[in-house]
Amino acid sequence: AQKVTQAQTEISVVEKEDVTLDCVYETRDTTYYLFWYKQPPSGELVFLIRRNSFDEQNEISGRYSWNFQKSTSSFNFTITASQVVDSAVYFCALSEASRDDKIIFGKGTRLHILP
Amino acid sequence: DGGITQSPKYLFRKEGQNVTLSCEQNLNHDAMYWYRQDPGQGLRLIYYSQIVNDFQKGDIAEGYSVSREKKESFPLTVTSAQKNPTAFYLCASTATGSYNEQFFGPGTRLTVL
Repeated sequence: AQKVTQAQTEISVVEKEDVTLDCVYETRDTTYYLFWYKQPPSGELVFLIRRNSFDEQNEISGRYSWNFQKSTSSFNFTITASQVVDSAVYFCALSEASRDDKIIFGKGTRLHILP
Repeated sequence: DGGITQSPKYLFRKEGQNVTLSCEQNLNHDAMYWYRQDPGQGLRLIYYSQIVNDFQKGDIAEGYSVSREKKESFPLTVTSAQKNPTAFYLCASTATGSYNEQFFGPGTRLTVL
């Protein structure tokens, strides 16, 4: 069973629109961490956020915000007032206590911001 | 600057040849990882090492080998036994414990002709 599901393979929005990237995860561990990474065209993954399973507070960082809901096993990522530089592939990932810090990645969502 | 370097950025090899991808980090991280990325796919773990002279297989280790003789270095060899080696390979490192985020190198795109 897929542990991290990013159902949106590709999304296109016009610049300045808001966009939400969905992430649903599956785990039996009570202690786990969730991550979001950005992969620009250069290829290198850039860390965006880490959230532990005991902290359900939403996080905001500039135009980026994250909504963590354990009840629905979701960790969604919203970009407000999108910009062309936000165009990238975004990965949601899960690290479980039972897997020695190894990270399980979703298949990613390719985001196109159109000028 | 602290970081992870991978070389080369692009690599071409003939079918049947072994090839070694380099990964070096100066972040003083104990753990290092190799991932493979195919188009439209997420990252899949090949091998990882949590300490010098020790490493474990990931989810897709067949056809690959690694060594960890130094803390800073974690080279990956793609052997001729790997049936479909053409892919983008990413190396990462992390400080162990507490589910720290992994830092990634720029990747090596391997094409086998």
